[in-house]
Amino acid sequence: DAKTTQPPSMDCAEGRAANLPCNHSTISGNEYVYWYRQIHSQGPQYIIHGLKNNETNEMASLIITEDRKSSTLILPHATLRDTAVYYCIVKANNLFFGTGTRLTVIP
Amino acid sequence: GAVVSQHPSRVICKSGTSVKIECRSLDFQATTMFWYRQFPKKSLMLMATSNEGSKATYEQGVEKDKFLINHASLTLSTLTVTSAHPEDSSFYICSARDVGLAGGPGTGELFFGEGSRLTVL
Repeated sequence: DAKTTQPPSMDCAEGRAANLPCNHSTISGNEYVYWYRQIHSQGPQYIIHGLKNNETNEMASLIITEDRKSSTLILPHATLRDTAVYYCIVKANNLFFGTGTRLTVIP
Repeated sequence: GAVVSQHPSRVICKSGTSVKIECRSLDFQATTMFWYRQFPKKSLMLMATSNEGSKATYEQGVEKDKFLINHASLTLSTLTVTSAHPEDSSFYICSARDVGLAGGPGTGELFFGEGSRLTVL
């Protein structure tokens, strides 16, 4: 399984874009990049995933570099309810969670 | 979207008793479900992969006789913590992969339950 590296914590002002980076330099060709988030004492919530191309949905955008060794999750207009731990995961068939990034949205 | 439900959400039990946690996929079939545990301020740790109609596959270091997993149908997996002790207190989370309903392909995505908090006194 490809290992991911994320900063342990980040702050973002409410209403601004939150850009969460993830390094996955050992990713293989058939592995997707998944992003989940976990709000305190709840199960993880799926956000978005991608393979090669950039992806966008109602929650976020995912930017994957051309060499696929890193990606960035973008929350375009962060709200207080986006405060959570964000996990970047790379795996073909299963999901192993790293330590994630604790995002704090500040009023 | 697809929903995975866990029950109970919270349980408190005495040391030495066994506790069963259910994980249900509500609107899709799941031939494979996964069980995780999470300690406070730590990440999720995969415990085992639950396969419908066959034995579960446990991760290294997870006692299969301690954590009994049964996946009797395409929509239900259960985790039984046997002879629970205070060190088993944790947040247990299941996930299920959507393989669709009969006639439908499903999304293949992984959806998580709300989690079950076990406290062993």
